Amino acid sequence: SQQGEEDPQALSIQEGENATMNCSYKTSINNLQWYRQNSGRGLVHLILIRSNEREKHSGRLRVTLDTSKKSSSLLITASRAADTASYFCATDGVLIQGAQKLVFGQGTRLTINP
Amino acid sequence: GAGVSQSPSNKVTEKGKDVELRCDPISGHTALYWYRQSLGQGLEFLIYFQGNSAPDKSGLPSDRFSAERTGGSVSTLTIQRTQQEDSAVYLCASSLAGLAGIEQFFGPGTRLTVL
Repeated sequence: SQQGEEDPQALSIQEGENATMNCSYKTSINNLQWYRQNSGRGLVHLILIRSNEREKHSGRLRVTLDTSKKSSSLLITASRAADTASYFCATDGVLIQGAQKLVFGQGTRLTINP
Repeated sequence: GAGVSQSPSNKVTEKGKDVELRCDPISGHTALYWYRQSLGQGLEFLIYFQGNSAPDKSGLPSDRFSAERTGGSVSTLTIQRTQQEDSAVYLCASSLAGLAGIEQFFGPGTRLTVL
């Protein structure tokens, strides 16, 4: 079963507005990552937040992590048309010989309307 | 510095045929991962390589799926006797040393269509 579950499944907003996507997971984690995917192809890493961190910023991105609720949120401020993509959270609660086995959620499809 | 490359970008095959998908990781990345993504879905982990060895094959959906990696670099994912449910985008990723918390770099994927 999927470790991460994103909410909402789809989000459509006007350019300039803020977009918030949520991710919930089931087991304890070492870190949580957010990735973006354009046009159903390769994913691009956006940001990583460790289990002992509560908030992290990168440009227009803000990620929060609440380990007590096993949830994370990704906020994109001042959205642009180029932000239109699918966004996935990935957790790494399972380690195999020191390597991370990322488990991805189903993703949130974000559409920014001009 | 080239990123992760995959070939072919698209593959259309007939049910029952074998296919080979190729992944060229970023030079120096010892960890290599294969994922499968069905339409509108998240990524499903298939297999992980550390160097040439595959410590985790638990995600391979059936014995029709196999993968190998030679020389600690290029990897091929082989699907034998393809079925229609194998249709998906197959994504490869690589990372430094496979350590926890390390970013994975993804290739553009191979879109497989089984008719």
